Amino acid sequence: GDSVTQMEGPVTLSEEAFLTINCTYTATGYPSLFWYVQYPGEGLQLLLKATKADDKGSNKGFEATYRKETTSFHLEKGSVQVSDSAVYFCALSVGGFKTIFGAGTRLFVKA
Amino acid sequence: DTAVSQTPKYLVTQMGNDKSIKCEQNLGHDTMYWYKQDSKKFLKIMFSYNNKELIINETVPNRFSPKSPDKAHLNLHINSLELGDSAVYFCASSQAGMNQPQHFGDGTRLSIL
Repeated sequence: GDSVTQMEGPVTLSEEAFLTINCTYTATGYPSLFWYVQYPGEGLQLLLKATKADDKGSNKGFEATYRKETTSFHLEKGSVQVSDSAVYFCALSVGGFKTIFGAGTRLFVKA
Repeated sequence: DTAVSQTPKYLVTQMGNDKSIKCEQNLGHDTMYWYKQDSKKFLKIMFSYNNKELIINETVPNRFSPKSPDKAHLNLHINSLELGDSAVYFCASSQAGMNQPQHFGDGTRLSIL
């Protein structure tokens, strides 16, 4: 079945460090891929998305590239801030009514 | 203007009680969802509705009954609450289509005593 695997957390970084959160997927069809972010006490928010191979989604300094050959969609940011501390979810959709989420990766950024 | 709003934000109740959570979206979306998030942040789809019709029911116990009176509302009623029901429940909505992102409410934290 369809699934998403992302690196376990927590990930702890110092401010201005480089961030990578790995995400790989398994899908029977040709999925759309998403990264969502969840801040404490809030619901998930869309961070970025990509809908076809080699697409790069980007937002707020975060980027992820849809790699069909490696079935990956790794999240990167060049310089993290304390305000980026949150839980990050990789997700895929192959049909109109169901999105499959990864287990989430908690990020702590220290000042 | 809250796009997806759910009430209440917190719900503390005894085992065996019946409770409801309400959800409303003002985005004009056709599809609405209920998710359960456990203490480890794992997010599990419970139900999906499109145009008021049930599309997905992910083997959720019969004690959980969603109701969609119109496209803008999807409420969740839970009978005979159990300790394992303690979690954060999220409502979400989207346009239909695999490219469409979901918009989430802020969650309802349900605690069973």
